[in-house]
Amino acid sequence: EAGVAQSPRYKIIEKRQSVAFWCNPISGHATLYWYQQILGQGPKLLIQFQNNGVVDDSQLPKDRFSAERLKGVDSTLKIQPAKLEDSAVYLCASSPIRRSAGRREAFFGQGTRLTVV
Amino acid sequence: DQQVKQNSPSLSVQEGRISILNCDYTNSMFDYFLWYKKYPAEGPTFLISISSIKDKNEDGRFTVFLNKSAKHLSLHIVPSQPGDSAVYFCAALAGGTSYGKLTFGQGTILTVHP
Repeated sequence: EAGVAQSPRYKIIEKRQSVAFWCNPISGHATLYWYQQILGQGPKLLIQFQNNGVVDDSQLPKDRFSAERLKGVDSTLKIQPAKLEDSAVYLCASSPIRRSAGRREAFFGQGTRLTVV
Repeated sequence: DQQVKQNSPSLSVQEGRISILNCDYTNSMFDYFLWYKKYPAEGPTFLISISSIKDKNEDGRFTVFLNKSAKHLSLHIVPSQPGDSAVYFCAALAGGTSYGKLTFGQGTILTVHP
């Protein structure tokens, strides 16, 4: 089974520029997450999709961040304009819907390391 | 408000000995807990989990213990191996849904010396 695919792996941009990240979840996984991991901290949820609907975007800085999941499969996360404090690893994860008790882990991609200079 | 806390930023252990990583939480709605392992330049990978209806779950060298009254869980690795050197994240899920969001701790860097 193929894992969660993310691109690009690395990106360096200047502040005030825009950037976009792409994620393709594991086939059949209805739930997709975008997490931000700042160096020395744990991952923080930015947005969660259930199919192509948003479940939770309470911690997404909506003045500069946007995300979409067209057709309920792959997703893009955009930052416009970027700030220095956006430097972080952006992780995409996916999980299936489980109707019965059992393991409830999410599966992560390798992440995109963003450096804003 | 940090709902999941890993108070030890790092842990150093000799190969063959036991590694114990700790995690505390504050949200009583959490009902499922997970440990993830992360190597540099890779995404977190799932290691082991435990439901709040249990107090222990074991998988090979890895055992997770849950103390609900103390809102505390721990991961035991026995015996520790150099390949276990990584960042370990504790995470929690709330509400019994199958698509809840994971809330992570800050992570603990484990170093296992040969």
